[in-house]
Amino acid sequence: QKEVEQDPGPLSVPEGAIVSLNCTYSNSAFQYFMWYRQYSRKGPELLMYTYSSGNKEDGRFTAQVDKSSKYISLFIRDSQPSDSATYLCAMTVSGGYNKLIFGAGTRLAVHP
Amino acid sequence: DADVTQTPRNRITKTGKRIMLECSQTKGHDRMYWYRQDPGLGLRLIYYSFDVKDINKGEISDGYSVSRQAQAKFSLSLESAIPNQTALYFCATSPSSQTQGDYGYTFGSGTRLTVV
Repeated sequence: QKEVEQDPGPLSVPEGAIVSLNCTYSNSAFQYFMWYRQYSRKGPELLMYTYSSGNKEDGRFTAQVDKSSKYISLFIRDSQPSDSATYLCAMTVSGGYNKLIFGAGTRLAVHP
Repeated sequence: DADVTQTPRNRITKTGKRIMLECSQTKGHDRMYWYRQDPGLGLRLIYYSFDVKDINKGEISDGYSVSRQAQAKFSLSLESAIPNQTALYFCATSPSSQTQGDYGYTFGSGTRLTVV
């Protein structure tokens, strides 16, 4: 069993939809949780960074962590075609500057 | 210029050839990483280096070697390339301590390697 599980999709939604992306994990020691966005032919770029449980909002993006369920989510409101990308969750035990464990990534397509 | 630069961007090589992928960074980060990405498998860690004198194996290091030539340079070598090493390879960097506003990894744009 992988430490971090993520449905690879693809997920196809119409423009303006609310998108929910999720990861589950098995290591209860994970404390730092990140979401990366990867456009085609590009490297991943950090989108959201959270510590421990709770919510964090940044514009149209909300990251949610439920440590009791070992479950993290990324919500995208009012999705745009420019949000079409692969979204990877990542997590680590002791700080975002340490060895990250990545999910497989979910491919999202937002169509006009 | 990009913070993390990988060369080449694309490479086709033959089975059995030795090949080197190069990575350089201007972030000033101490830590550098090599990952490979395969469809459905995500990013898997090959090697990582926490400073110039520190090299560590990741989860899939067999068939690969690395060299940290300087704080800013970290190269990955395939000693004798085989077809199942066909993948997208990424270099990444991170700071060695939590720095306000500098979180997580910074990735290069990747090298697409095909072994025929």
